[in-house]
Amino acid sequence: RKEVEQDPGPFNVPEGATVAFNCTYSNSASQSFFWYRQDCRKEPKLLMSVYSSGNEDGRFTAQLNRASQYISLLIRDSKLSDSATYLCVVNSPTSGTYKYIFGTGTRLKVLA
Amino acid sequence: GAGVSQSPRYKVTKRGQDVALRCDPISGHVSLYWYRQALGQGPEFLTYFNYEAQQDKSGLPNDRFSAERPEGSISTLTIQRTEQRDSAMYRCASSLGREGGSGNTIYFGEGSWLTVV
Repeated sequence: RKEVEQDPGPFNVPEGATVAFNCTYSNSASQSFFWYRQDCRKEPKLLMSVYSSGNEDGRFTAQLNRASQYISLLIRDSKLSDSATYLCVVNSPTSGTYKYIFGTGTRLKVLA
Repeated sequence: GAGVSQSPRYKVTKRGQDVALRCDPISGHVSLYWYRQALGQGPEFLTYFNYEAQQDKSGLPNDRFSAERPEGSISTLTIQRTEQRDSAMYRCASSLGREGGSGNTIYFGEGSWLTVV
């Protein structure tokens, strides 16, 4: 089983739609969580950190469920510019250190 | 510089040759990471450093791969006797704090595209 799992998609949604992605992680001792966005042929960039109480940044809402070991990202009122790959990132302990583990990414295409 | 800088951006090499990929992290960043990313996949962890110390190299695929960061700043990822399966995007990232800190954002460079022919 992969340490961090995401549905690769693609998710094709119309402009204005609400779309949600989930990501599961296997290590219950994981410490911190993030969503990164990656545009085609570009480097990943931080979209938002995910806090235990959940957090919102404009049209984006991130949630963490430690009991079920998943994080989610909700995008409201999708824009064409939201089309990208969304990477789930988990900071997990391993062999006495921590490292950032990336999921495969979920592709989103927002259609006009 | 302002961001993470990697060189070369593109490298084509013949099978069996050695290659060295360079990463210059954001000034002052303590932690430096190397990832490999295949098309359609997320970044795959290779290794990381805090200052000059290599903390974890568990992701290096085999002993042809090595990395160093001798002065705690610039890092080099070296692949010896390259094989076609080594072809990928190699990404470097850095973060201000040490590994494990919550909210410790990692910033990526543009990557080095390696093609082994």
